[in-house]
Amino acid sequence: GQNIDQPTEMTATEGAIVQINCTYQTSGFNGLFWYQQHAGEAPTFLSYNVLDGLEEKGRFSSFLSRSKGYSYLLLKELQMKDSASYLCAVMDSNYQLIWGAGTKLIIKP
Amino acid sequence: GAVVSQHPSRVICKSGTSVKIECRSLDFQATTMFWYRQFPKQSLMLMATSNEGSKATYEQGVEKDKFLINHASLTLSTLTVTSAHPEDSSFYICSARGAGDTEAFFGQGTRLTVV
Repeated sequence: GQNIDQPTEMTATEGAIVQINCTYQTSGFNGLFWYQQHAGEAPTFLSYNVLDGLEEKGRFSSFLSRSKGYSYLLLKELQMKDSASYLCAVMDSNYQLIWGAGTKLIIKP
Repeated sequence: GAVVSQHPSRVICKSGTSVKIECRSLDFQATTMFWYRQFPKQSLMLMATSNEGSKATYEQGVEKDKFLINHASLTLSTLTVTSAHPEDSSFYICSARGAGDTEAFFGQGTRLTVV
């Protein structure tokens, strides 16, 4: 079966760094996405990785290891507005997105 | 990035009535559109995938006669919830993807409340 695992909830302090992990087992792989979703809103795109390595985009970075079926999203210099759910999604061999349940990130002052 | 507009953002309807939700790609041609449902504190659940000009492909457990999807043009897909019941109350989100694209862009979502 297809499976995406990520922690349910994480807490971090404003100004700090947090890493949200995602492991996956899917039928085929055509890339991994990270989305941010604030409560009551639709997800917004953060990053896309299809090759191994680290992609940096401002305060956010995303890492992928295809051999390990593993990715992480790294958020630096945390701000209160970063409090949200972070969704990991893998595009399978049929180009369908398989979604994780999301990680609720709580930022404390 | 590309813009996907979903309308309405909120709707309250009476039990037994039908509700139509529109999803439009404003600046690109959406060859594929996805419809999701999301219950509180849960992840997105794919309901169906539609390709322009074709019948939608529904996920297991989703009633195609209850959730009617039409993708008649490259910029518009609609989801009609027929004979809505309170248990259909949820957050419905569409996303659209262009030909050859990997990223799908999301609409703003529709909060449906059936009373």
